[in-house]
Amino acid sequence: GAGVSQSPSNKVTEKGKDVELRCDPISGHTALYWYRQRLGQGLEFLIYFQGNSAPDKSGLPSDRFSAERTGESVSTLTIQRTQQEDSAVYLCASSLVTASPSEQYFGPGTRLTVT
Amino acid sequence: KNEVEQSPQNLTAQEGEFITINCSYSVGISALHWLQQHPGGGIVSLFMLSSGKKKHGRLIATINIQEKHSSLHITASHPRDSAVYICAVKGFGNEKLTFGTGTRLTIIP
Repeated sequence: GAGVSQSPSNKVTEKGKDVELRCDPISGHTALYWYRQRLGQGLEFLIYFQGNSAPDKSGLPSDRFSAERTGESVSTLTIQRTQQEDSAVYLCASSLVTASPSEQYFGPGTRLTVT
Repeated sequence: KNEVEQSPQNLTAQEGEFITINCSYSVGISALHWLQQHPGGGIVSLFMLSSGKKKHGRLIATINIQEKHSSLHITASHPRDSAVYICAVKGFGNEKLTFGTGTRLTIIP
C-alpha cells in the first residue's frame, strides 16, 4: 500500500507569512508524528497524535507552531509568522500502535525555506 | 550533554569492510530504533529493538540495556550503504522518539 505522503515537497516563503504543511499517514495507522530537521542538525520531535487522545505537544518550539489531525487521517502543521530559523525539513511519520513500542514509517518530508 | 550520543560522527571505509556504528543513551528506554537517511531522501526504519540482537540481510543491530548501548553493524559494506545512520530512543509512557545526531557513512568503491 501507499506510504506516508507529505505536501508540498518544497516550500519557499517570506518571513512573516503563515505556512501549512500536510501529512497523509498510512491508512489505518492510529499514531502520527511531526519532526523537524534543521540543516546540519539532528531530528527534533514536534508533536504526536494518538487516536482520540490529547496530542503530545511538548516538542513545539513556540506558540507560532500548531498542528491538527482529522480523526485518524490527514494532519496539518501550521507555522504562523514564519522566521528564518524555521527553515528546515519537516518530517511526518505514522505507526500502528497496537502494542508499544511500534515501528514508525516516515514520509519524504517538506523542505521549508524562509527568506 | 545529549540524551543520545552516536559515534563516530563520520566514517569512511572501503567497500567490503565491516562497519560498526555505536549509540549510547542516558535515559531508561522501552525501545531503540536505527534509521537510515539517504542524501536528499527520506528516512527508512532499519530496526526497532528492546533487547538482544536483530539481523536483516547484511545489517545487524544489538542492544545492551544494562550498559545503555547499542551497535549497528554492516557486513560486506557496499557503496549503496552510504547514508546517515540515526539512532533514536523511546522512553516509557509515550511514543516520542529522541534522536542522536547521526553517523555519516561513506563507502568507497
